[in-house]
Amino acid sequence: EVQLVESGGALVQTGGSLRLSCAVSGFTFSGYWLTWVRQAPGKGLEWVANISPDGSRRYFVDSVRGRFTISRDNAKNSLYLQMNSLRVEDTAIYYCARDATFGFLDYWGHGTLVTVSS
Amino acid sequence: QTVVTQEPSLTVSPGGTVTLTCASSTGAVTSDHHPNWFQQKPGQAPRALIYSTNNKHSWTPARFSGSLLGDKAALTLSAVQPEDEAEYYCFLYYGGAQLNYVFGAGTQVTVL
Repeated sequence: EVQLVESGGALVQTGGSLRLSCAVSGFTFSGYWLTWVRQAPGKGLEWVANISPDGSRRYFVDSVRGRFTISRDNAKNSLYLQMNSLRVEDTAIYYCARDATFGFLDYWGHGTLVTVSS
Repeated sequence: QTVVTQEPSLTVSPGGTVTLTCASSTGAVTSDHHPNWFQQKPGQAPRALIYSTNNKHSWTPARFSGSLLGDKAALTLSAVQPEDEAEYYCFLYYGGAQLNYVFGAGTQVTVL
């Protein structure tokens, strides 16, 4: 059974940092692109970042580029999102998802809530 | 900044048919955008329905279908069931140097 489980969400002050983790099981982790998607309270989905199977390629939405870093540990079947210089507008549920092909996010975690307070 | 536009809300009767569309501010949506569709119900994570225009996930009911309609991507729900009431998001691939993806703002489908 494919499972993705996010953790690390918390309440943090503006300008602070947070590291999210996504523990994966049930498929060959090193064979897939992985993606972070976020959803602000009461709002729609926003693609945040993704990373290639070997970790060599990483892409970000404009609003987080330079502040967020995405990484993975294929030995630990884990995906990470390091978030620095957090802003109030980064408040959201953060989901990790497997990308089967060109944005086909076929499996998602349950999400972890990040709240940035001023 | 690329914007993907969907109808904010649509209402359909049980057993009826409704079509949701997905437009791109950059021009016509084509198969090169690999249109994806997701369903989200309150309090739940999104769930994949359709990928690369018209391919279904293993769990996607047959009454859901994807297509290109003119210069847009489309998701058609046929023989709508009460449990189809949800928010539906399209998701497009734009490629390029920044390899970005963009979600539409979502369409709230009400079954009434």
